[in-house]
Parts: sequence; structure tokens; C-alpha cells
Amino acid sequence: EDKVVQSPLSLVVHEGDTVTLNCSYEVTNFRSLLWYKQEKKAPTFLFMLTSSGIEKKSGRLSSILDKKELSSILNITATQTGDSAIYLCAVVTGNQFYFGTGTSLTVIP
Amino acid sequence: ETGVTQTPRHLVMGMTNKKSLKCEQHLGHNAMYWYKQSAKKPLELMFVYNFKEQTENNSVPSRFSPECPNSSHLFLHLHTLQPEDSALYLCASSQTGLAYNEQFFGPGTRLTVL
Repeated sequence: EDKVVQSPLSLVVHEGDTVTLNCSYEVTNFRSLLWYKQEKKAPTFLFMLTSSGIEKKSGRLSSILDKKELSSILNITATQTGDSAIYLCAVVTGNQFYFGTGTSLTVIP
Repeated sequence: ETGVTQTPRHLVMGMTNKKSLKCEQHLGHNAMYWYKQSAKKPLELMFVYNFKEQTENNSVPSRFSPECPNSSHLFLHLHTLQPEDSALYLCASSQTGLAYNEQFFGPGTRLTVL
């Protein structure tokens, strides 16, 4: 059965810390991996990863895919309180999207 | 405000009621999706429509009935729901239903079944 597992489930850090969120997957016919940030309601898109070893970067956020290890990490440097959210990982196979349960990040001042 | 809107934002219904959730996207996309998000569970994909044709139905109970009259609108008709159906229902759209398209989500409808 295809599945996506995220770790840790929750994380509390202080402003300025760097965090690393993990997503591992076991799926057949992998196509892409996506990261989303969900603050209140609608998840907002962060990154789409299709190729192994190529880092995608957006400001303080970066992500990389390791197809050998069947995993991806999302890094956030110099965290701010506005980074507090649930970070969702999704793996796409054909037309199926499999989401993990998310990592709840809380950044305290 | 995103390019995907959902109404209503909150809905409380009894088990014998019939109601509908509405989703509209203003992005010119051709694929639309319904997801269910329950507490402490992953988002569950319920239905996928690609160019108005239903392409996926992930073993969803028949008390949930989707309708996609055109590429911009998607409905989820609800009848004789159970309390365990209480959840956040998210609609999303993407350029097409292929794997390399990011999805844009609506704000969701918080459904409570009494």
C-alpha cells in the first residue's frame, strides 16, 4: 500500500533556529513530491520536486529530493513566528496524490 | 484570497439532511479535486475531475456524490451523512490532472454532522 510518512509530527523552536522536516514515501510509479504550508485553511504550494539531488530554494526555505532514500527534506533557516504552520508533503503517482499527516511547526519569539 | 473559492465555509447538518458544497476556480484550470481532511489524518483524495470527466474515485461512500458541470465548478452533494464524516472538505484545482502540476487549494468547508 502506498504511503507517505512525515517526521517529526510536531516541533517547537525559537525564532532564529533552523529546522529540518522529513518526508519519506513508499509508492509505486513515483512522479513528483510536493511540499505545502497550511496555516489556517487552504494549503499553499511551496515546492515541487521531481529530480533527485537538485535543491529548490525560495528565500529561507529549501527542499531536496533523494530518490534513492525515497525521501525529501524541507529546511527553514532563521525561522520566524510567521513560519508557524503545518507543513504537508504529498507524493504524486499517476493521478493519485498521497499526503502525509503533516509536521506542525511552532516558532516562539 | 486564492483563485479557488468554496461555499459555504461552515456547515452544520443533521444525518437526514441533504446539502451541497460548492467550489469555483478562476484560474483557467482543467482539473478539480475534492479532499477530506480529518483531525490527525492525512488529506484523503476523494474525487478527481480532469476536463470535466471523473478520473478517480477513491472508494468514497455513495452518500458523497460529486458533480462537475464545467471546468470551473465542482460540487459535492451530501446526503444521509454520518458523524464521522465531520471534517474539513478542501477543493483544489490544477492546470491538468497530470502528475507535474501543482494544485491550488480553496479555503475549505468545515462540515459538522450531528
